[in-house]
Amino acid sequence: KAGVTQTPRYLIKTRGQQVTLSCSPISGHRSVSWYQQTPGQGLQFLFEYFSETQRNKGNFPGRFSGRQFSNSRSEMNVSTLELGDSALYLCASSRAPTDNTEAFFGQGTRLTVV
Amino acid sequence: AQSVTQLDSQVPVFEEAPVELRCNYSSSVSVYLFWYVQYPNQGLQLLLKYLSGSTLVKGINGFEAEFNKSQTSFHLRKPSVHISDTAEYFCAVRSSGGSNYKLTFGKGTLLTVNP
Repeated sequence: KAGVTQTPRYLIKTRGQQVTLSCSPISGHRSVSWYQQTPGQGLQFLFEYFSETQRNKGNFPGRFSGRQFSNSRSEMNVSTLELGDSALYLCASSRAPTDNTEAFFGQGTRLTVV
Repeated sequence: AQSVTQLDSQVPVFEEAPVELRCNYSSSVSVYLFWYVQYPNQGLQLLLKYLSGSTLVKGINGFEAEFNKSQTSFHLRKPSVHISDTAEYFCAVRSSGGSNYKLTFGKGTLLTVNP
């Protein structure tokens, strides 16, 4: 059974650009959550999707957005990149939001903004 | 709102020694508690979780944790560590009810096991 797949693994972008990250959950999992990990702030919740609907959103500016497709794959987008957006972005999948006690994390996408 | 405090940012130990990683939480509602491990350049892997029942929970790789409601703590222990346990460990909480199931993480504890 394949795990959570995040692509790409590494990205380098320039300030002001935008970026799209992808997450393919485990087969049968319909809930996807995104987290940002930085040395200073640690792991912070970005948003959660279930059945193509955003159910919860963390305390991030509107430059951070996401969506989920009918096959449960999710993308997150960051527009007008800032240096502080450099981070490891982690995706977690579970069967349903209430099942995230069994959430599985991907290996993450390491975004570097220069 | 919930918060998690991991009391030690770094814990160095020698191989085969016991280790305890400390975690305290704050929440106005009932919570579930988790410990995750992160190896370099990897995602998070669930070590163990407390949902209900026995306050002593056992996880993978010989780790265990004890939930103490009165002290709002969930410390992680291992009686004898290996070099391969070197990693960062994160304590996390989630509300056990309601509609927001986000995980709130502590800042992490870097466990370094020396030969």
